[in-house]
Amino acid sequence: EAEVAQSPRYKITEKSQAVAFWCDPISGHATLYWYRQILGQGPELLVQFQDESVVDDSQLPKDRFSAERLKGVDSTLKIQPAELGDSAMYLCASSPDAGGALYEQYFGPGTRLTVT
Amino acid sequence: SQQGEEDPQALSIQEGENATMNCSYKTSINNLQWYRQNSGRGLVHLILIRSNEREKHSGRLRVTLDTSKKSSSLLITASRAADTASYFCATDGSYSGAGSYQLTFGKGTKLSVIP
Repeated sequence: EAEVAQSPRYKITEKSQAVAFWCDPISGHATLYWYRQILGQGPELLVQFQDESVVDDSQLPKDRFSAERLKGVDSTLKIQPAELGDSAMYLCASSPDAGGALYEQYFGPGTRLTVT
Repeated sequence: SQQGEEDPQALSIQEGENATMNCSYKTSINNLQWYRQNSGRGLVHLILIRSNEREKHSGRLRVTLDTSKKSSSLLITASRAADTASYFCATDGSYSGAGSYQLTFGKGTKLSVIP
């Protein structure tokens, strides 16, 4: 069964350092999402791609976060510089259709980031 | 911002019992989804119910939707230890553009099934 791949699974970094996460969606899925999940909360959308284009990045803290999906396949989310409040689980999801909430999304296992 | 809110926040039951979780939301929706998350893992889609549907079944899962009360419930029958997880409802959030809506999650219900 096809799955969304994410790496690394765990990352510990010091405050002010740069950190990057990678996601490979299910083959053929045009839509890719990055979510942030703080412990005890539900996921919150950071950015949504349709192919290589950003559809929604309204909740992405653009002063320190950036995301790209250059060839419309895999994607990278970067934080520079990391802050203590960035400690969270970063989840990638994909779906075959545009529409966001209108269809099922497939999630990867996540990257747990700890900023010290 | 969170659209849906699950109730209770935590639920502990014996194996074999039924578990019911509720979700309330604030604005009109196109559909409502339920996801499961095992500890420290990604989310798994359970069921999607559209706004014109009232009830949907999938295996041991039964979901109801009452749009007049802006609420949904997830029933897991004959629970198993493997059902231990957090359960989230998710609804349409704000419009993202290009015909797409954000998926907005609640805080979840943490279910513990005791063997």
